[in-house]
Amino acid sequence: AAGVIQSPRHLIKEKRETATLKCYPIPRHDTVYWYQQGPGQDPQFLISFYEKMQSDKGSIPDRFSAQQFSDYHSELNMSSLELGDSALYFCASSFGLAGSGANVLTFGAGSRLTVL
Amino acid sequence: GESVGLHLPTLSVQEGDNSIINCAYSNSASDYFIWYKQESGKGPQFIIDIRSNMDKRQGQRVTVLLNKTVKHLSLQIAATQPGDSAVYFCAENKGSTLGRLYFGRGTQLTVWP
Repeated sequence: AAGVIQSPRHLIKEKRETATLKCYPIPRHDTVYWYQQGPGQDPQFLISFYEKMQSDKGSIPDRFSAQQFSDYHSELNMSSLELGDSALYFCASSFGLAGSGANVLTFGAGSRLTVL
Repeated sequence: GESVGLHLPTLSVQEGDNSIINCAYSNSASDYFIWYKQESGKGPQFIIDIRSNMDKRQGQRVTVLLNKTVKHLSLQIAATQPGDSAVYFCAENKGSTLGRLYFGRGTQLTVWP
């Protein structure tokens, strides 16, 4: 079965550079979520989109922005990168806003960002 | 503040034994709780969930118990196998913010042959 596809899997950037991460949800899933997981930390919710509109916003820095496109894929744009932005960035998708049961979140394998 | 946390950061068990991973939460308003398994280099993988109006739910080799009185959640894995070695996270979802999961600190489960 198709899963959530994230690219790139690994990314190395210098401080103050910009980075863009992409997420392709499971086919027919219309909701995407972005999570950030620092080393040894639990995943922290950043932002989510439902039907191409922002549905919820968490602890996403102002330097970051995201959007969901007409084909439901999403991109997370990060500017003025800082050392502390080094983390695993996970995208998850669901059909509709996830609750329990059938529409649970399915996570991608993540994009590892390293800021030097 | 509102948080979901875990009692133990690591747990080592012998293959074939049962494992119990615990989680404490503080938000009584949570709508449901989920257990995720994360293997090295991979994203969290859904294991099982339980709604706040239930106290027990069973899956294949896994059982989740919810004790709302003491705000405690546990994951029991029967006949633990080496393939179960991973970090386990509990997470909660509040009905008012569907989709946003609040994760607790993970527990690293190591299964010895």
